[in-house]
Amino acid sequence: DTAVSQTPKYLVTQMGNDKSIKCEQNLGHDTMYWYKQDSKKFLKIMFSYNNKELIINETVPNRFSPKSPDKAHLNLHINSLELGDSAVYFCASSQDLVHRADTQYFGPGTRLTVL
Amino acid sequence: AQSVAQPEDQVNVAEGNPLTVKCTYSVSGNPYLFWYVQYPNRGLQFLLKYITGDNLVKGSYGFEAEFNKSQTSFHLKKPSALVSDSALYFCAVRDKDTGRRALTFGSGTRLQVQP
Repeated sequence: DTAVSQTPKYLVTQMGNDKSIKCEQNLGHDTMYWYKQDSKKFLKIMFSYNNKELIINETVPNRFSPKSPDKAHLNLHINSLELGDSAVYFCASSQDLVHRADTQYFGPGTRLTVL
Repeated sequence: AQSVAQPEDQVNVAEGNPLTVKCTYSVSGNPYLFWYVQYPNRGLQFLLKYITGDNLVKGSYGFEAEFNKSQTSFHLKKPSALVSDSALYFCAVRDKDTGRRALTFGSGTRLQVQP
């Protein structure tokens, strides 16, 4: 069984469109994250939710809006897509925030290409 | 602030030889340190972490890492490299003592093991 899953795996779209990426974890974790990996493979945190509450928002444009309907899901909606949004987006989860040594488990990634 | 440096973009090693992938970190307090591996078109897989205690940490697939507080380093090692170890390796840090809740990743080191 996949621990952290993301859909879709690939997403190709035109500039200006709105798209969503979905993430689900079946590990029973309280905390979920979105990371962006750019073309140079650099990984950067975008958002984190703990029990459906937003706790990290790392100077990401307002066009990006995470939504957590329950603690097992964290979706990422992107409005008015731009060329610079092309990247691989990774979802991750960890048990909770209290235990800072918690391992984060990553999904397989969604490769977004904006044309 | 917390940061990680991986000084080598790529490391080349012959199969059967020992390998080292370097990582240095900077945190205000004490660190939690992690190594992840990313195979092509895959998500990040957890290898090992340092929390406290023994400076030598053993992880998955025969990898180990040594925490050196005086040199602020956490180098990844393996006694005998396999061709299948070829992948992208990320070091990450989280500060134990501050409110910073996200992992900060290094820029990654590509390991190439030649047969």
